[in-house]
Amino acid sequence: EIVLTQSPGTLSLSPGERATLSCRASQSISSTYLAWYQQKPGQAPRLLIYDASSRATGIPDRFSASGSGTDFTLTISRLEPEDFAVYYCQQYSSSRTFGQGTKVEIK
Amino acid sequence: EVQLVESGGGLIQPGGSLRLSCAASGFTVSTKYMSWVRQAPGKGLEWVSIIYTGGSTYYADSVKGRFTISRDNSKNTLYLQMNSLRAEDTAVYYCGLSSSWGYFDYWGQGTLVTVSS
Repeated sequence: EIVLTQSPGTLSLSPGERATLSCRASQSISSTYLAWYQQKPGQAPRLLIYDASSRATGIPDRFSASGSGTDFTLTISRLEPEDFAVYYCQQYSSSRTFGQGTKVEIK
Repeated sequence: EVQLVESGGGLIQPGGSLRLSCAASGFTVSTKYMSWVRQAPGKGLEWVSIIYTGGSTYYADSVKGRFTISRDNSKNTLYLQMNSLRAEDTAVYYCGLSSSWGYFDYWGQGTLVTVSS
């Protein structure tokens, strides 16, 4: 099983700041089969990024992502108030597994 | 418009059984990869099971042999039959649609399953 480790566990930032979230895989993920989701309290997750760097429909361009192999990054260029949430990465190279999440909270 | 609506959750005793449903609209379930994903209270997401367009099914090790995923094409509905339930199965269960390989681009609102005596 591919284990995904996200860091940091919590990111405390102010609106307008840049957020950088990391997702590291226990083994190489083929064909950049990695997605990112945003989840707010009491809501279902929302797809942000698929195939490591492609934005899903309707996702603002302040969200970007990159990476390959075992190291992946999600960047939010300028945090808006609605961006404070928990973010999960997910791999679909071998079955499907999620990272444990990174909480982006207001500083 | 794609919509997924889960139902069937509730309080069940350990060892009991429950069947979850996910009613789909805006697409045909038999033409997409459909999954169940769960989230224990205060915890992260855990993929549970998938059914492919051809009918093949796969399960997480944690539920293999106890859970069964299926679909009813006439009702355009996805199911998860859960047997031999344990306290650690307590979670919100989401159905997820994969329009393409592997990632989940549509989610239901979830249904809560609580396994407790």
